[in-house]
Order: sequence, then structure tokens, then C-alpha cells
Amino acid sequence: SAVISQKPSRDICQRGTSLTIQCQVDSQVTMMFWYRQQPGQSLTLIATANQGSEATYESGFVIDKFPISRPNLTFSTLTVSNMSPEDSSIYLCSVVGGSLSGNTIYFGEGSWLTVV
Amino acid sequence: LAKTTQPISMDSYEGQEVNITCSHNNIATNDYITWYQQFPSQGPRFIIQGYKTKVTNEVASLFIPADRKSSTLSLPRVSLSDTAVYYCLRDAAGGTSYGKLTFGQGTILTVHP
Repeated sequence: SAVISQKPSRDICQRGTSLTIQCQVDSQVTMMFWYRQQPGQSLTLIATANQGSEATYESGFVIDKFPISRPNLTFSTLTVSNMSPEDSSIYLCSVVGGSLSGNTIYFGEGSWLTVV
Repeated sequence: LAKTTQPISMDSYEGQEVNITCSHNNIATNDYITWYQQFPSQGPRFIIQGYKTKVTNEVASLFIPADRKSSTLSLPRVSLSDTAVYYCLRDAAGGTSYGKLTFGQGTILTVHP
């Protein structure tokens, strides 16, 4: 299984600032994704992080607010820009990893952001 | 993106078997059914995946009937540590949407002593 590390695991941020979340995978993976989980809610896909090209965003998410980098097959970053209290969420990185029974989707432990 | 329907919450007691049913009437030919478990303050954890009939691993069993319009996750002899949110998802194997998961609200399972 893929081991995914996210940094920071938790942070308190000031309104109007930006924060970059890192996602490091212990093996090369083709597909990486970023999700958001607002308090008491389920997960929502933000974007697909494409290696060597611009990320592909889902409806309701834009690059100016959530710029994403994917410089190689093991690393990606998500920036939450110009934060407001509504951005207080858990942000999760996921990857498609190989397994004995086929491809499985793995999640990091998440980065808890609280915007004050 | 794909949608599933499952009960909002369930209660059980230690040592009991728990069955959580998920409805996915419009499942596509390429879709697998995947279940995830999420504890508070953690990311979702893969439990089991199947296409049809029955799949069993060290954690759970997954039953998918021939029409594949529903599935049942079976947790044998639950313990307090199984208290979590359980998500049923359609997971398209291959294709442009592979890896993109649509999460519903999940089922909050509470195991009581």
C-alpha cells in the first residue's frame, strides 16, 4: 500500500493569508487528487494534480483559490489562498496505488486548517 | 459523478455482526464498489472492494447481488473501535474518472458496550 504524508497536519491561519499543504508519497504514483472535508461534512474532490501540467479542477473550485503543483510523481502541493473562515476544513491528498488485488485509492491523514 | 445511498446512522453492540447496505441503482459496467472507513481526525481508510458476488478479507465481507444495484458491507463481531463513518462508493476502474471519488454522507456506525 502507498504511504502518504501530509504537512502540516494541523494549523490555525489568519484570515486573508495563504497556506501551502504538502503531500509526499513513498512511491511513484500516476494519479494524485486533493479533497476537502468541511466540518461535519463528507469529502469533496477539489482537483486532480497532473504531473507536468496544470491541475484539473472540479466544478466550484478554481486555480486562483486553490493553486496546485505536481513537480514529480511522488509530491504535490495545494495552496489555499486568501483564506476566510469558510475555508476551515480538512484537506486530504489521495493517490491511486497498486495492490495485489488491483489498484486501490489511498488517503493521507489530512491537514486540518482553522481560519480565524 | 457517481452516487450511492446508504443509511445515515446505525447502532450496534460489541460482538454483533453489522450489515450496512448501499444502493447504487445506476451503477455502470466499469464501476467497482468500494467501502472506506473514516475515524475522527483521520483520512478515509480502504476496507474492501468488489465487482459482484462475494468478497472477503481479514476485516469485512462484501456482498453484491447479480444485478449489482446494491451491496452490503458485513462487519463480523464489531468492537468499540469499529465506531466510525463508513462510505460506500462507486469506483470507476479505468476511464477518465478513475480515482475521482464521489463521497455521500456515509453511515455513522456507533458500537455500544
